Amino acid sequence: GENVEQHPSTLSVQEGDSAVIKCTYSDSASNYFPWYKQELGKRPQLIIDIRSNVGEKKDQRIAVTLNKTAKHFSLHITETQPEDSAVYFCAASRAAGNKLTFGGGTRVLVKP
Amino acid sequence: NAGVTQTPKFRVLKTGQSMTLLCAQDMNHEYMYWYRQDPGMGLRLIHYSVGEGTTAKGEVPDGYNVSRLKKQNFLLGLESAAPSQTSVYFCASRALRTENTEAFFGQGTRLTVV
Repeated sequence: GENVEQHPSTLSVQEGDSAVIKCTYSDSASNYFPWYKQELGKRPQLIIDIRSNVGEKKDQRIAVTLNKTAKHFSLHITETQPEDSAVYFCAASRAAGNKLTFGGGTRVLVKP
Repeated sequence: NAGVTQTPKFRVLKTGQSMTLLCAQDMNHEYMYWYRQDPGMGLRLIHYSVGEGTTAKGEVPDGYNVSRLKKQNFLLGLESAAPSQTSVYFCASRALRTENTEAFFGQGTRLTVV
């Protein structure tokens, strides 16, 4: 089955700096890669996703890049703000697949 | 429109006791999932369902059973709770489309087994 590895497990950045989280996946048939944000004590919520037919997608201060050849994808947060402090999860799924496999999560702390 | 609702939100069990966690969604989603979240381990899939009356095992199914008698409900059962099942449990649902769709999560159930 699919295996998703996520690094780093914790990330501390100064407010205004950028944060980058990287994930690798094992199943070459995976073609959907969402990112979820989980604030303390809350449920995970989708912040951005990318499909294998594009290499990059951007939404305001967040962007995701995908390298299908190397089987890795990354989340980039620019101009970080204190409200970006949370746990971020990457995930992978096959085409119209019924399973969504998550990485281990990255705890991001933005220091004012 | 409540989305995905889990019951209960908190529970403390003694080793060997049984309980059922209820997940209800009002979005008419076909897919439903149960995950457990442990520190440093991310979200691990316990069981999932692709439609009413069907269930399948995920990564960590041992010690759990599930049922999906109605499309909107997905039940997770622990027949004989063990301390290793202390965790936060999340239910999620997704729509069935030709392309992958967003998963919506419930608010979580914090279970402690003593």
